[in-house]
Amino acid sequence: DQQVKQNSPSLSVQEGRISILNCDYTNSMFDYFLWYKKYPAEGPTFLISISSIKDKNEDGRFTVFLNKSAKHLSLHIVPSQPGDSAVYFCAASFSNNDMRFGAGTRLTVKP
Amino acid sequence: ETGVTQSPTHLIKTRGQQVTLRCSSQSGHNTVSWYQQALGQGPQFIFQYYREEENGRGNFPPRFSGLQFPNYSSELNVNALELDDSALYLCASSLPRTGPNSPLHFGNGTRLTVT
Repeated sequence: DQQVKQNSPSLSVQEGRISILNCDYTNSMFDYFLWYKKYPAEGPTFLISISSIKDKNEDGRFTVFLNKSAKHLSLHIVPSQPGDSAVYFCAASFSNNDMRFGAGTRLTVKP
Repeated sequence: ETGVTQSPTHLIKTRGQQVTLRCSSQSGHNTVSWYQQALGQGPQFIFQYYREEENGRGNFPPRFSGLQFPNYSSELNVNALELDDSALYLCASSLPRTGPNSPLHFGNGTRLTVT
């Protein structure tokens, strides 16, 4: 039961440009959404989150957008840097119950 | 602030054997969750522990079991290992689920290989 989907396994962008990572979910009960970044040989690192009562949350170069009617979540990274190259996972939960993860998108930022 | 630590980092076991993985939670966190990440997939929820009791379980058979200790550290036990159990096992700690929404903080995982 894949409740959180990341349909793009990979994304390549030029340094300085915008990276847009997308995520779709099916369970309308989700009330908390997150993005994690994962480097090889490390665990996922929390990046940014958004509550279902908001449609945007910004933290430095990272902005998460939530479109509840479309059940769609996106992460914008501006400007992209080579150090941003990693696998990005979106995740969702409701009432702090178990968190569901997408399959991940591998972002490569080229110098 | 001490982060989540897991041991061992790598492990090789034979089908049918049993394995125990260990996790120390981040300071101030009393909720521990375990996830299985197979190659090319996202983490899959196994179970969560809060106040030394199982507090939610994913779609994993009973041969996956766990413990949480008074110091909030935790163990994941897997009996009768199968080849498909080969994966990265991630431990994550967080603030109590009864509080406001809070992110999971992950350790670096234990890579289990079953031959």
